Amino acid sequence: DGGITQSPKYLFRKEGQNVTLSCEQNLNHDAMYWYRQDPGQGLRLIYYSQIVNDFQKGDIAEGYSVSREKKESFPLTVTSAQKNPTAFYLCASSKRAGGQKNTGELFFGEGSRLTVL
Amino acid sequence: RKEVEQDPGPFNVPEGATVAFNCTYSNSASQSFFWYRQDCRKEPKLLMSVYSSGNEDGRFTAQLNRASQYISLLIRDSKLSDSATYLCVVKGGSYIPTFGRGTSLIVHP
Repeated sequence: DGGITQSPKYLFRKEGQNVTLSCEQNLNHDAMYWYRQDPGQGLRLIYYSQIVNDFQKGDIAEGYSVSREKKESFPLTVTSAQKNPTAFYLCASSKRAGGQKNTGELFFGEGSRLTVL
Repeated sequence: RKEVEQDPGPFNVPEGATVAFNCTYSNSASQSFFWYRQDCRKEPKLLMSVYSSGNEDGRFTAQLNRASQYISLLIRDSKLSDSATYLCVVKGGSYIPTFGRGTSLIVHP
C-alpha cells in the first residue's frame, strides 16, 4: 500500500544531542513537508521541499536541518541548537499543485514524538 | 493578523446536534482549502476539500466564501465518533499549506 512512513515513533534525546527523524513516501509525490505540533497548538511548518535537491525554510527552521537527495526521502535533523525540541513531528507529502479541482491535499505519516530528557 | 484563524473551542454538543465551524484566512490569493480531522495524539487526516461551489459528503458540508475570506464546515446529526479536532488548511499562491490552530469538538451522549 502507498503511504508515508515515519520513524522512530518515539524518541528520547539528551540535551546537546542531534537526532534525525526519518520520513519515506512511496506515493510518487514531489512535495514533502515537516511540521511541528506542540500540545494544544496547530501545525507549524519547519521545512518543505517541492523537488529533489531543493528545500526551503518554513516558519520555524532555526535549529533544524533537512536533505532531499531522493524523491522518496526527506529526513529531518533536530540539532542541539534547537532550544525546545520536545514536540510531535509530522511529515507530509503532496502532489505538485496543478490545474485540477483538488490541488494537492496532504498525506501525513503517523508522526514522531520527541522528548528531550 | 494570523494567516489562518479558527475558534479553538471546545464546542460541546449532544449527539444528534448540528454544529458549524468557521475559519478565516488573510491571503486573498489563496487557492485551495481543506478540512482535516485530527484525533488525539494522531496524525491529521483529510476530511474534505472545499470547492468554490460548496460540497457535501454525507453529514458534512463545506463552503467557501471568497468575498469574506472564510470557509465553513457543517456537521449534521453529530455522532460520538465525530469528537476530534478539526483543522482548517489553506494553500496560497505558493501552494504551501498553512494550518489553523484547530477547533475542538466534543460530542456527548
